[in-house]
Amino acid sequence: DAGVIQSPRHEVTEMGQEVTLRCKPISGHNSLFWYRQTMMRGLELLIYFNNNVPIDDSGMPEDRFSAKMPNASFSTLKIQPSEPRDSAVYFCASSWGTGENGYTFGSGTRLTVV
Amino acid sequence: DAKTTQPTSMDCAEGRAANLPCNHSTISGNEYVYWYRQIHSQGPQYIIHGLKNNETNEMASLIITEDRKSSTLILPHATLRDTAVYYCIVRPRDDKIIFGKGTRLHILP
Repeated sequence: DAGVIQSPRHEVTEMGQEVTLRCKPISGHNSLFWYRQTMMRGLELLIYFNNNVPIDDSGMPEDRFSAKMPNASFSTLKIQPSEPRDSAVYFCASSWGTGENGYTFGSGTRLTVV
Repeated sequence: DAKTTQPTSMDCAEGRAANLPCNHSTISGNEYVYWYRQIHSQGPQYIIHGLKNNETNEMASLIITEDRKSSTLILPHATLRDTAVYYCIVRPRDDKIIFGKGTRLHILP
């Protein structure tokens, strides 16, 4: 089991550019979560999906952020246009059901917007 | 609103038991206690969870008080690799996980 796979590991982009972060959940897991981590705000839940359907996107900061899950094995988090304040580590996690037995997190994508 | 209160940081000598406390005085009857940890530059890692009984797995033990208002995570023989931020979370089993600030545990050689 390769675990939750995120790409890229690091992304540096200029302000105003579009950024797409990718996540492959663990095979068989049917829930997927996107978190963002900064020093100031800690770990924040942005959005989560169950069976490829967005269930709660109340944590998405603004319309510049969007997330999709076109199938059970792939999800994207897109920021358009990016801003310096979006710089953070973005984590994807997956679980079976609602994660009663825990979530499995990926290694994260470190995004720097300059 | 934080549902849990944890010390900001703790130290523990290598080889000794690390006991991490967590207060959750407003816990509801259907809420479980979960523990995760985050080693530097890695994603959070699930450790253990419980409702009211004490739990043990290969990583740690979880002791929950009878009134369920507090709990302790025990790492029986701490190693340098256990240096991490430890998060105590209370949630119904079918609800999302919201992380607080956690406890930064330093294992001292």
